[in-house]
Amino acid sequence: DIQMTQSPSSVSASVGDRVTITCRASQGISRWLAWYQQKPGKAPKLLIYTASSLQSGVPSRFSGSGSGTDFTLTINSLQPEDFATYYCQQANSFPVTFGQGTRLEIK
Amino acid sequence: EVQLVESGGGLVQPGRSLRLSCTASGFTFGDNAMTWVRQAPGKGLEWVGFIRSKTYGGTTEYAASVKGRFTISRDDSKSIAYLQMNSLETEDTAVYYCTRARYCSGGSCSFDSWGQGTLVTVSS
Repeated sequence: DIQMTQSPSSVSASVGDRVTITCRASQGISRWLAWYQQKPGKAPKLLIYTASSLQSGVPSRFSGSGSGTDFTLTINSLQPEDFATYYCQQANSFPVTFGQGTRLEIK
Repeated sequence: EVQLVESGGGLVQPGRSLRLSCTASGFTFGDNAMTWVRQAPGKGLEWVGFIRSKTYGGTTEYAASVKGRFTISRDDSKSIAYLQMNSLETEDTAVYYCTRARYCSGGSCSFDSWGQGTLVTVSS
């Protein structure tokens, strides 16, 4: 199975900051990586697919990069509604695996 | 608008069975693979299983933790995906989400639409 490791596990930031979350796959997954945002009590929401493609309706302050084993989610100019938990997911092969999540908190 | 609505969750005793349903609307259900993902209380996301469209044989994939106990099926005429859960264990307690699979590699996919989730509690 492909293991997905996110860092950091949690991060504190202020409105207007830029935040970067990383995700590392235990083996190469080309660009088959997705990022999701989840708010408490809500279903996850797809933000980014194939490492850098922005899902329809997602603000352009969200961006993704990377290929192979190392990936990054960047949020520019944090907004109050961005404080949530973020998960990466490899879409390269079965079994599907998710990172453990990164909690983005207000400083 | 794509909508996925799960139903069938509830409290069940260990060893018993439960069937979840996912009713889809707003897209051509039969053209899409579907997936179930679960989230235990306070924990992260765990993929449960996947069913391909009939075009790709309607075949299934499962997580090791549920293989042999859970079965995913689909009724394209009703736009419903099912998750049959047998021999339930306390560790299966979670919110279960139905998702639409999109942006697929030759292997698996990412998931662009999610239901609101249904809570399954396994307890005596």
